[in-house]
Amino acid sequence: AQTVTQSQPEMSVQEAETVTLSCTYDTSENNYYLFWYKQPPSRQMILVIRQEAYKQQNATENRFSVNFQKAAKSFSLKISDSQLGDTAMYFCAFENTDKLIFGTGTRLQVFP
Amino acid sequence: SQTIHQWPATLVQPVGSPLSLECTVEGTSNPNLYWYRQAAGRGLQLLFYSIGIGQISSEVPQNLSASRPQDRQFILSSKKLLLSDSGFYLCAWSKRTTDQPQHFGDGTRLSIL
Repeated sequence: AQTVTQSQPEMSVQEAETVTLSCTYDTSENNYYLFWYKQPPSRQMILVIRQEAYKQQNATENRFSVNFQKAAKSFSLKISDSQLGDTAMYFCAFENTDKLIFGTGTRLQVFP
Repeated sequence: SQTIHQWPATLVQPVGSPLSLECTVEGTSNPNLYWYRQAAGRGLQLLFYSIGIGQISSEVPQNLSASRPQDRQFILSSKKLLLSDSGFYLCAWSKRTTDQPQHFGDGTRLSIL
């Protein structure tokens, strides 16, 4: 069975600084997708970035980028130039056969 | 563009009462539909997913059921709510092709008294 682990329950960063959120997963599949979702206090789940496992190039989306290490089964999220609006819960998720498996989340607080 | 509507936003129900949460998607056809539950301070747990009308897969044994009476309508139900059914429920949809991300509704906060 696939599992997703986020070992950092809480993180904090000062505005304009860079922060990295960790995620590891376990699977025997070779083709799959990985996602980072953001859940602000409004509780809406917002897709931040996704990565196809067959692509070696790390995905980037403006200030958000990932470090995807397939052999190590690691998928960390880097947020550059952190903004106050980045304060939220961040969930790492694994998808294979149309079903998402979520980690338990990392609460990120951005301080002014 | 596609949108997903979920209601009600909040609901307070007594133990033993029935439940019906509704989710509809606009702007697409034949979507995959999902119901998740999020307990306080936890990640999301997949409850049900559907690839078509009347086709429901249950991921965990529970007190809840789901139905898909129309292509873009997904309903979460219970005949008798338990205290343990409290939580935040999220509906999501994705396109049928395998590389499409899921898009979530705004969620329903359900409190059982």
